[in-house]
Amino acid sequence: DAGVTQSPTHLIKTRGQHVTLRCSPISGHKSVSWYQQVLGQGPQFIFQYYEKEERGRGNFPDRFSARQFPNYSSELNVNALLLGDSALYLCASSLSGSTDTQYFGPGTRLTVL
Amino acid sequence: QQQVKQSPQSLIVQKGGISIINCAYENTAFDYFPWYQQFPGKGPALLIAIRPDVSEKKEGRFTISFNKSAKQFSLHIMDSQPGDSATYFCAASNRGGSARQLTFGSGTQLTVLP
Repeated sequence: DAGVTQSPTHLIKTRGQHVTLRCSPISGHKSVSWYQQVLGQGPQFIFQYYEKEERGRGNFPDRFSARQFPNYSSELNVNALLLGDSALYLCASSLSGSTDTQYFGPGTRLTVL
Repeated sequence: QQQVKQSPQSLIVQKGGISIINCAYENTAFDYFPWYQQFPGKGPALLIAIRPDVSEKKEGRFTISFNKSAKQFSLHIMDSQPGDSATYFCAASNRGGSARQLTFGSGTQLTVLP
């Protein structure tokens, strides 16, 4: 079975630009969470979506937004990119929003120049 | 308080030795404590997890010890192998409303020497 997939693998943007990252959860999983991992640190929670609704939000500015589609895939959007947004963006999949176990994808490495 | 504190930051162990990584938390609402292993350029992979109603859980060479009163938990890797060299993260979560979000420690870079 395929695990969590994310695209693209790597991305380079300049300050002020917009970026869209994509995630497909494990088949049968209905919840997707997004995390930001800055180099040398643990992942930080950004959003959780379940059944196309936002169920949780971390301490990130409004420049960060996300959505979930009927097939349970998800997009993370970041507007007005800053240098500090450079990080590995991780998507995690779980059966439901309240399920303990989250399985992570390989991540998208975003570099903002 | 949502923070999870992890130590040590880095750890070097000889092949066959025991690797021990410690974590502490403040939020007594946490009820699920997973450990993740991350190799360079990869996403975190779930290794083992525990709930606060048990004091120890073992899976192969990996053991979690949990001390609810001290609000501490640790990962023990027995018979450490060079292939175990990776970054290890402890995490904790509680069910806030209908969502579960993981709060991660800062990570421990483990190097197992051959």
